[in-house]
Amino acid sequence: AQTVTQSQPEMSVQEAETVTLSCTYDTSESNYYLFWYKQPPSRQMILVIRQEAYKQQNATENRFSVNFQKAAKSFSLKISDSQLGDTAMYFCAFMKHVGNFNKFYFGSGTKLNVKP
Amino acid sequence: EAGVVQSPRYKIIEKKQPVAFWCNPISGHNTLYWYLQNLGQGPELLIRYENEEAVDDSQLPKDRFSAERLKGVDSTLKIQPAELGDSAVYLCASSPNRVRTDTQYFGPGTRLTVL
Repeated sequence: AQTVTQSQPEMSVQEAETVTLSCTYDTSESNYYLFWYKQPPSRQMILVIRQEAYKQQNATENRFSVNFQKAAKSFSLKISDSQLGDTAMYFCAFMKHVGNFNKFYFGSGTKLNVKP
Repeated sequence: EAGVVQSPRYKIIEKKQPVAFWCNPISGHNTLYWYLQNLGQGPELLIRYENEEAVDDSQLPKDRFSAERLKGVDSTLKIQPAELGDSAVYLCASSPNRVRTDTQYFGPGTRLTVL
């Protein structure tokens, strides 16, 4: 079974600083995908960044980047120059192919509070 | 492009009453998911549709939950009768059924409160 663990229930960071959210996962698959989703308060979940497991290069999207350590099964999210709008729940997700379809597994989330 | 639409956004009912949630996925997306999200937790899959076929409903409590996706577009999730423990956010998501690198697009959710 696949599991996704986010060990930090809540974190705080000062505006303009950098913060790293942790995620580990457990799988026997060799090919899979990893995602970070952001869920602002009372708003819908949106994709922040994605990583294919077969790619060694870490994904980057503007101020968001990941540190993907496949051997360690670790997938952390770094947010640089934090902004007030980054305040949200962040969910790490794992996806694998099951036949012709995809199956997703989500972590329990990290609540990030960006302070002015 | 319009996103995933869900209605209602909020619903308050008394226990033992029925309730239904509606989802309209992004146009052209063949795959539709219903998730349950408890407070402070990540989404948990209830059911997944490929077009009109339910291909993964192993986590759906079939004694009280039902779902349908007629014509492979809109979907409805129903609970009858509702229990206190059903209070949660019900999320709908859709994705194009590409073989590789599917990404889910989520709706705003329906927050259900059972009194």
